Amino acid sequence: DTAVSQTPKYLVTQMGNDKSIKCEQNLGHDTMYWYKQDSKKFLKIMFSYNNKELIINETVPNRFSPKSPDKAHLNLHINSLELGDSAVYFCASSPDWGTGAYNEQFFGPGTRLTVL
Amino acid sequence: EDQVTQSPEALRLQEGESSSLNCSYTVSGLRGLFWYRQDPGKGPEFLFTLYSAGEEKEKERLKATLTKKESFLHITAPKPEDSATYLCAVQAPGNTGKLIFGQGTTLQVKP
Repeated sequence: DTAVSQTPKYLVTQMGNDKSIKCEQNLGHDTMYWYKQDSKKFLKIMFSYNNKELIINETVPNRFSPKSPDKAHLNLHINSLELGDSAVYFCASSPDWGTGAYNEQFFGPGTRLTVL
Repeated sequence: EDQVTQSPEALRLQEGESSSLNCSYTVSGLRGLFWYRQDPGKGPEFLFTLYSAGEEKEKERLKATLTKKESFLHITAPKPEDSATYLCAVQAPGNTGKLIFGQGTTLQVKP
């Protein structure tokens, strides 16, 4: 199936731990994104990469570090996890990065992170 | 400041009862307005993109329209399977592809 996939789907961990979330897309898109959705379902951009180059880096703590080994993968590593990091994290991809007319973003199923 | 506001926050309809969801936006130079559907425990699913005032798009029972200040998602004769949260987003100015989302409208359609 052509899609955006994320692993793991659920992640429960203790405060202070370091964890990673992986994302892969097989849609042939050039741009990938990380979003955070809080308990009120508000979806906010964190990072975006275009062909392995960082494009968007919102006001996100330095504990969050994205890594893009190739244009089909974008991983998110989080150091020293805090209670406030609990949320659902979504990966997305799009054919373009805003320069063109078409920028429909396609989302993965999400990773629910719970920090205890 | 660029922002998106959706109303109502929640909407309950009887099956077959048509209604509209509103998305008001403030952005300097609209480059695209997007509608998504999100089911519980899943990622947002792309529905429509609108680029200019007056544009309309349809998909089954859904029709999206756009003016210079707001967009409407009209739901005609909804069915229980249309129950979901509907998210509206605008593309921020500049060439980054950044989407600014509203808080969503949670729709419940009862049989």
